[in-house]
Amino acid sequence: AQSVTQLGSHVSVSEGALVLLRCNYSSSVPPYLFWYVQYPNQGLQLLLKYTSAATLVKGINGFEAEFKKSETSFHLTKPSAHMSDAAEYFCAVSEPGNQFYFGTGTSLTVIP
Amino acid sequence: SAVISQKPSRDICQRGTSLTIQCQVDSQVTMMFWYRQQPGQSLTLIATANQGSEATYESGFVIDKFPISRPNLTFSTLTVSNMSPEDSSIYLCSVEGGPSGSLGEQYFGPGTRLTVT
Repeated sequence: AQSVTQLGSHVSVSEGALVLLRCNYSSSVPPYLFWYVQYPNQGLQLLLKYTSAATLVKGINGFEAEFKKSETSFHLTKPSAHMSDAAEYFCAVSEPGNQFYFGTGTSLTVIP
Repeated sequence: SAVISQKPSRDICQRGTSLTIQCQVDSQVTMMFWYRQQPGQSLTLIATANQGSEATYESGFVIDKFPISRPNLTFSTLTVSNMSPEDSSIYLCSVEGGPSGSLGEQYFGPGTRLTVT
């Protein structure tokens, strides 16, 4: 079975600082990988996805993630945090045609 | 991406009652999913609903407690039956793909925030 591990349930960064949210997965086959963001009282919005094309994936709002097969990782980064980035972030993995498995989420706080 | 709406957006219900949540999609989709997100936790898949067939429930979820309807390719309902405070959660529907979706993406509705007193 698939599993997703997000290291750090809470991450705080200063405005303008680098954002790094960690995600590791387990999969016996090349997976599809996703990052979703959830703002307060809202549903999930797709930030970006990896589906076996380029290993560096660019998403919305300046976020990007790099698929590293050797490390089974798909960490999310943003060079400069903005106050509006404060939200809950979920990493998810799926195998083609199969269900999604979500990580436990990382709450990002941006300090002014 | 698919546009998904849910009704109601939130509700406060008394224990022992039932609530039906509606999910409407702006395009025809094959697979629809219902998730539960308990306070401070991640998403847990309740069931997968395909049009024209019985919903497929995940371990720990049963049809008597969470009956699902899928009458057409753009609509589904989830009923939370005989509610208890432990059912207080956000319930989200999602769809896979759609006319502009591809490669297993899921798009989520805004969620229904349920509080059971």
